[in-house]
Amino acid sequence: NAGVMQNPRHLVRRRGQEARLRCSPMKGHSHVYWYRQLPEEGLKFMVYLQKENIIDESGMPKERFSAEFPKEGPSILRIQQVVRGDSAAYFCASSPIDREMGAAKNIQYFGAGTRLSVL
Amino acid sequence: AQSVTQPDIHITVSEGASLELRCNYSYGATPYLFWYVQSPGQGLQLLLKYFSGDTLVQGIKGFEAEFKRSQSSFNLRKPSVHWSDAAEYFCAVAARSSASKIIFGSGTRLSIRP
Repeated sequence: NAGVMQNPRHLVRRRGQEARLRCSPMKGHSHVYWYRQLPEEGLKFMVYLQKENIIDESGMPKERFSAEFPKEGPSILRIQQVVRGDSAAYFCASSPIDREMGAAKNIQYFGAGTRLSVL
Repeated sequence: AQSVTQPDIHITVSEGASLELRCNYSYGATPYLFWYVQSPGQGLQLLLKYFSGDTLVQGIKGFEAEFKRSQSSFNLRKPSVHWSDAAEYFCAVAARSSASKIIFGSGTRLSIRP
């Protein structure tokens, strides 16, 4: 059973370009979370999605950032017109979440991350 | 406001020595509690979690953590560290409602002295 898959592992963009980060959740998981880790800091929540729905985007910057989790395919975190301050590691996590199965289903499993460098 | 505090930015211990990493949280109600470990350039691996019940929880790699409600703490311990334990350790909390974002501390970097 493969874990959470993120690609690319490393992404280099010039200022003003677009960055697209992909995340395939673990098999059987229908909930995806995106976090950002700036250098020397902990992870900060960005957005929580279920298939075709954004559940909580309270951590998303108001401009240039968007996320989707379509019915088919991976979740995508999209950053338009990147700036140097967007350079960070972006982590995706997934969880199965079955309300009938109790708290243990809320555990989030993390991918290895995408390290974005903006030149 | 919800927050997690890890007061120690960097700790160095000798191989074979005991370890305790501190974590305090501020939350409206007792949250779910987690410790994650991150090796350089890698993602996060769950070490252990506290949901309910016994306040001393056992995790992988010989780690344990104790939940103390009165102190709002969830300190991580290991009786004897190994050189492979060198990594960044993150304490985290999540709401007891259904699926929820995780709030992370700023991390403690652990170095092991040979």
